[in-house]
Amino acid sequence: RKEVEQDPGPFNVPEGATVAFNCTYSNSASQSFFWYRQDCRKEPKLLMSVYSSGNEDGRFTAQLNRASQYISLLIRDSKLSDSATYLCVVNRNDYKLSFGAGTTVTVRA
Amino acid sequence: DVKVTQSSRYLVKRTGEKVFLECVQDMDHENMFWYRQDPGLGLRLIYFSYDVKMKEKGDIPEGYSVSREKKERFSLILESASTNQTSMYLCASRGTSGSYEQYFGPGTRLTVT
Repeated sequence: RKEVEQDPGPFNVPEGATVAFNCTYSNSASQSFFWYRQDCRKEPKLLMSVYSSGNEDGRFTAQLNRASQYISLLIRDSKLSDSATYLCVVNRNDYKLSFGAGTTVTVRA
Repeated sequence: DVKVTQSSRYLVKRTGEKVFLECVQDMDHENMFWYRQDPGLGLRLIYFSYDVKMKEKGDIPEGYSVSREKKERFSLILESASTNQTSMYLCASRGTSGSYEQYFGPGTRLTVT
């Protein structure tokens, strides 16, 4: 079983729509969770950390459900520039992170 | 701004060649990492280094070695390149205080023929 599993998509949505997707993780001892964004042919960059109480950054909302071991990301009022692959990332220990394979989102005009 | 640079964006090598991939970071980060990224598999950790001259195997170290002689530089070595090492290689660095955020270089697309 993969440590982090994501629906690869693609999620194809019109501008202005809301899109949401989840990832699940297998290590119940994980303490830190992140969403990274990766544009086509570019390196991953941190989008946001995910906190137990859930957190919001502008149009992006991240939620953590420890009991069910899943993390979600919701994007409101989608922009063309939101088109990217979103990587779910979970820490394993002080040094190592586990990366999901990514969920692709395409926002169309 | 943190900057992580990698020596090449694209590289084509022949089977059996020795390949060096170099990574340099300018933020005085203690930790550095090498990953490979393949479609459908996500990023997989090859090796990491938590300090100068210190290294530890990641999840897929077979066929690779690393070198960290200076804090800012972390090299990945393919001793004898094989076609199954064709991949995107990403270097990352991270400080030891604060968050676990890793900063990535632009990647090297290696093709082994």
